[in-house]
Amino acid sequence: NAGVTQTPKFQVLKTGQSMTLQCAQDMNHEYMSWYRQDPGMGLRLIHYSVGAGITDQGEVPNGYNVSRSTTEDFPLRLLSAAPSQTSVYFCASSSSGPVFTQYFGPGTRLTVL
Amino acid sequence: LAKTTQPISMDSYEGQEVNITCSHNNIATNDYITWYQQFPSQGPRFIIQGYKTKVTNEVASLFIPADRKSSTLSLPRVSLSDTAVYYCLVVQNTGGFKTIFGAGTRLFVKA
Repeated sequence: NAGVTQTPKFQVLKTGQSMTLQCAQDMNHEYMSWYRQDPGMGLRLIHYSVGAGITDQGEVPNGYNVSRSTTEDFPLRLLSAAPSQTSVYFCASSSSGPVFTQYFGPGTRLTVL
Repeated sequence: LAKTTQPISMDSYEGQEVNITCSHNNIATNDYITWYQQFPSQGPRFIIQGYKTKVTNEVASLFIPADRKSSTLSLPRVSLSDTAVYYCLVVQNTGGFKTIFGAGTRLFVKA
């Protein structure tokens, strides 16, 4: 199993550009989520999904969109990039239980100029 | 969701046992306590999870008192490679989920 994969590893955008961060998992997990991590800080939940076709907002959803058309994929879209979105983005997946364990991808380092 | 409080940083020496305590005063009946480890430039990695009393696996032990308002992660005989940030989380284990990562505890193991 590849686990959770994320592409790209690095990305530089200009203010106002849009892009999609890709996330895929091959563990048949129902739950997937996106986090951002700013320097020296913990992870903050952006959006999450409890199954295909079902998404919900996390702690910091503004400026981001998600969709979940398949169990495997959970892309994160930046609609109009802003410098405040410069961060490292992590995708995670987990099964529905009984032990709730999240498996994280390697992250995407995004810089918005 | 219950917020957690843990020390910002800790230092230790190789071979010592390290105990990191986390407080979660508002933990709910259905919540579990989970610990993750994160190395620089990597995503967090699950270490251990528990509900009450003591849980042990090949990496660590987790001690949870009866009132569940705190928990202690115990790392036996740490090595330099255990230098990382350790996060204590309270996780809902029913239905949907949301998790809150605090700033974590930065453990630095010295030779």
